[in-house]
Amino acid sequence: GAVVSQHPSWVICKSGTSVKIECRSLDFQATTMFWYRQFPKQSLMLMATSNEGSKATYEQGVEKDKFLINHASLTLSTLTVTSAHPEDSSFYICSAGQGNDEQYFGPGTRLTVT
Amino acid sequence: GDSVTQMEGPVTLSEEAFLTINCTYTATGYPSLFWYVQYPGEGLQLLLKATKADDKGSNKGFEATYRKETTSFHLEKGSVQVSDSAVYFCALSGPYNNNDMRFGAGTRLTVKP
Repeated sequence: GAVVSQHPSWVICKSGTSVKIECRSLDFQATTMFWYRQFPKQSLMLMATSNEGSKATYEQGVEKDKFLINHASLTLSTLTVTSAHPEDSSFYICSAGQGNDEQYFGPGTRLTVT
Repeated sequence: GDSVTQMEGPVTLSEEAFLTINCTYTATGYPSLFWYVQYPGEGLQLLLKATKADDKGSNKGFEATYRKETTSFHLEKGSVQVSDSAVYFCALSGPYNNNDMRFGAGTRLTVKP
């Protein structure tokens, strides 16, 4: 149980375009979803926390107009990277929680912006 | 704010060697502590966790004990295998930080046959 999926697993896009990444909790309802960014050989950095039906809370330094997060239901959250640039290339990982201290992580999405 | 400090790698061991990866934390209150493992090209998998002082988390031969007095959660395994090669992350989460997960820098382990 507690499976989280992400789609796509990898994506290549041109500079200036927007990319949407989906995160789904497959067998449970996630009250909270988290989005992380991981640079090569580095740790995960929390980007934002989203609760179903409300606006996401962004970490300091994360541009909310660039990284749009929508948590439309208890099983789906989306991250849209708008007007992507090469420096946005990274591994994006989502996780889902049920209100306790544990999070269940998706497999990640590798974004490459050319 | 809450944070985790983890022994930096990389760590290279021979098969059947003893493994220790140090992890210390700074937190308000009493967080839950976790070790996650990330295999190449994959997402994070929970390895073990402990939710209160003196708890011992264990899984797949790995162990870690929640030490409140030393604010530590060191990961140990008595005999590593080649298949244990991965990146290991120490993390904490707790009600005082809205259950956000704070990660250490990660330690890359390579086990050679």
